[in-house]
Amino acid sequence: EAQVTQNPRYLITVTGKKLTVTCSQNMNHEYMSWYRQDPGLGLRQIYYSMNVEVTDKGDVPEGYKVSRKEKRNFPLILESPSPNQTSLYFCASNIRGRTDTQYFGPGTRLTVL
Amino acid sequence: GEDVEQSLFLSVREGDSSVINCTYTDSSSTYLYWYKQEPGAGLQLLTYIFSNMDMKQDQRLTVLLNKKDKHLSLRIADTQTGDSAIYFCAESIWDTGKLIFGQGTTLQVKP
Repeated sequence: EAQVTQNPRYLITVTGKKLTVTCSQNMNHEYMSWYRQDPGLGLRQIYYSMNVEVTDKGDVPEGYKVSRKEKRNFPLILESPSPNQTSLYFCASNIRGRTDTQYFGPGTRLTVL
Repeated sequence: GEDVEQSLFLSVREGDSSVINCTYTDSSSTYLYWYKQEPGAGLQLLTYIFSNMDMKQDQRLTVLLNKKDKHLSLRIADTQTGDSAIYFCAESIWDTGKLIFGQGTTLQVKP
C-alpha cells in the first residue's frame, strides 16, 4: 500500500530538548516536504527536498532542520524547540513536479511546554 | 507573491447545498485542490482540477474554476452531517511540488 508514515504521532516535550520527527515514504518519490498547520493559517511549508542530498527552505524554516540521506526518509529536526513550534506537522511526498501524485502523512501533533 | 484566501466559517442545514469559495493569486498554478480534514484527522484529498478546465463534477462535489478572476469554488450537494470538517483549497506551483494552502473553511452542518 502506498503511504507516507510519520513518527511519533503525538509528542509533548519541553523547551530546548532536541527532537526528531521521522517521515518515510514507500513510493520512490523524489520530492518530499514538511508542512505545519496552525489554526487560521492553513498549512505552510517548512522545508522541501527535490531529491537525495538536495534540500531547501520553504516559507517558515526558522528553528527547523532537515536531512535527506536516503530517498525514502526525510526527518524533521528541532534542535531547540520553543513553544511557538507547538503545531500539527505533516510530511508529504510526490513525483517531482506532479502535485497530483502527492500523498500526505497522518500528521504529528507536537506540544512544546 | 503566492497567496490563497478562504473565508473561515460556513454554516448550512443538512440537505442544503454548501459552496466554499477560494481565491488565489499565482497565474502559473497548474492544479488546484480541495482537501478535507475531519476533527483530529489528517488531510484527505477530495478532488482537484487542472488549470485549463472550468468545471469538474464528482458525485456530490462540483468544482468551478474561473481562471480570469482566479476564483475556485467547491459545491457540496445534499450536505450531510458527515461533511462537517475543515476544507482547504490549495494551488500547486508550476514545476515544483509545493502547495500553497488557504486558511481553511470550517463547514458546520446543522441537523
